Amino acid sequence: EIVLTQSPGTLSLSPGERATLSCRASQSVSSNDLAWYQQKPGQAPRLLIYGASSTATGIPDRFSGSGSGTDFSLTISRLEPEDFAVYYCQQYGSSLATFGQGTRLEIK
Amino acid sequence: QITLKESGPALVKPTQTLTLTCTFSGFSLSTSGVGVGWIRQPPGKALEWLALIYWYDDKRYTPSLMSRLTITKDTSKNQVVLTMTNMDPVDTATYYCARAGIVAAGYYFDYWGQGTLVTVSS
Repeated sequence: EIVLTQSPGTLSLSPGERATLSCRASQSVSSNDLAWYQQKPGQAPRLLIYGASSTATGIPDRFSGSGSGTDFSLTISRLEPEDFAVYYCQQYGSSLATFGQGTRLEIK
Repeated sequence: QITLKESGPALVKPTQTLTLTCTFSGFSLSTSGVGVGWIRQPPGKALEWLALIYWYDDKRYTPSLMSRLTITKDTSKNQVVLTMTNMDPVDTATYYCARAGIVAAGYYFDYWGQGTLVTVSS
């Protein structure tokens, strides 16, 4: 089973700033099969990124993903008030999916 | 428009079996490259993938819960059912079903239900 470790646990930033969230895998994720989700309180997660860098339908272009192998990142170029939420990565390089423990992005 | 909705009991007793139904619309589970999965989230904690069923009826389970989980589908009803045996208070969580986009054998979840909170308590 591939273990995903997200850092930092909490990130405190102000609107307009740039956010970079990290997701590290315990072994190489095949074909860069990694997704990112956003979850707001009381809501279901929403798919942001798949294939490590492909943006899902309807997602603003300030969200971008990058990385390969064991190190991946999600960047929000310029934070909007609605971007403060919890973010999860998920690997799907094997037929057994795993999620990271999440990064909470909070307003500074 | 793709929608999914979970249904099932809000409260179950320890040792009981939980049965959850995911009813979906806007896609067919007989379409190649499609699956439906279940994910849960204990209060204040992270997401945990539980199970997935592929369009051709293959199934995958998270190893730690494999002995307790069964996932089935009824394509004609657009439903997927998850059963979990021997429920324990640590299984208290919001349970989500989600449509899976299949990539080789792996999958990500592009549409989610609203989730249903299941509490395990005597």
